[in-house]
Formats: sequence, structure tokens, C-alpha cells
Amino acid sequence: EPEVTQTPSHQVTQMGQEVILRCVPISNHLYFYWYRQILGQKVEFLVSFYNNEISEKSEIFDDQFSVERPDGSNFTLKIRSTKLEDSAMYFCASRVRSAGTETQYFGPGTRLLVL
Amino acid sequence: DAKTTQPNSMESNEEEPVHLPCNHSTISGTDYIHWYRQLPSQGPEYVIHGLTSNVNNRMASLAIAEDRKSSTLILHRATLRDAAVYYCILIYYNTDKLIFGTGTRLQVFP
Repeated sequence: EPEVTQTPSHQVTQMGQEVILRCVPISNHLYFYWYRQILGQKVEFLVSFYNNEISEKSEIFDDQFSVERPDGSNFTLKIRSTKLEDSAMYFCASRVRSAGTETQYFGPGTRLLVL
Repeated sequence: DAKTTQPNSMESNEEEPVHLPCNHSTISGTDYIHWYRQLPSQGPEYVIHGLTSNVNNRMASLAIAEDRKSSTLILHRATLRDAAVYYCILIYYNTDKLIFGTGTRLQVFP
């Protein structure tokens, strides 16, 4: 069964450093998402992406965040200058189209620790 | 976005049925009712969804009240692997994002 993959599974970085989290969505999917989950808290929406542009973003997704689909398969989340509070699990998701009937498929996540 | 209310936690014994309730009294006519679950240390996973009629799939059943103000996710025979946080989420017909609440943490005992 097709699945969303994410790399790396774990990333440790120093505060102020840039990190890039990578995702390979399911191949025929057109809509892509990033969510994050701080330890012990709810899963939070960050951004949605369609047709090579951001379709919606949350208040969390400020200027230090960016997303990109650099080729036909990868979808990346970049955090330019990491802060301690960026430590969280980051989940990528994808779906075929944007409709109430459509399922989002999530990857296993990247655990980011900012020291 | 319409709000859902779920119990914080529930318990079950293995092999027994589990009924996970969700209240969504402000649901609109075009909101779909989706259920996702999150196993420990994993990403959320789709379980089932419906609009008005009850639904069955290989994982679970979804019973939707006639007025659509509540729904119940039914796991027919709980297994240890079903221990997870279960989220009831309303999705407007062309909404892009999922809004997760705190969900119901299901514990399954052998």
C-alpha cells in the first residue's frame, strides 16, 4: 500500500540553525500538508500546499517557515532559524484532492529537538 | 469550524466492543464526520468517515445520529493494537486542513 515517507526520523539541532524536513507524498496526490505536535499537546495544522503554492497557513507558520516542492516527488519544510519552541514532531500529509470525502494520509513524522 | 466534544479517556478489555462517542451539536449540513487515530509515537491514521448514513469498513463502524449532532465510532472487537488516541473531526466539504482536538485516549487491557 502506498505511504507517505519522511526523513530524517530524528533531528537534533542548535538554536538558530536552519533545518529542512523532507517528505515524499503518495505519488498521485496533489494536496500536501505539514502539521506539528509538541510533546503532550494536540496535532496542529501548519500549512497546506497545492499547485506549487501555499493554499492556507496557520498563525504558527510565520516568516521563519517555508515550504517547497523542489521536484516531482519531494515536499520540504524549512525552518530558517530554529527556536527552542520549535521542538516537536512534524508530520507531513497528502491527499488526492481537497474534498470532505477525501482522506489525508500522514507520514511517520520527524522528531525535531532544538537545543 | 464546528466543534466536537469527546471524553478524555476510555478503557476496554481485549476482544470486547468499544463505543467511542462524539458530540457535534453545531454541525452544518455539509460537514463530513471523520475519525482518525494516533497510535503511540506514530502519525495520525484515517479510520472512517461519513455524512448522514452509518458506515462500515474493515477497521470500524460509524453510527451517526439521525439529527447528526452526535456520532459513535464502534470497534467491534478491541485488540491491544487499537490502544490509541481517537479524534473525531468535522470537515467542511471543501476544507483543506484537519483541526485536531484532544481526542479520546483508548486503553485496551488484555
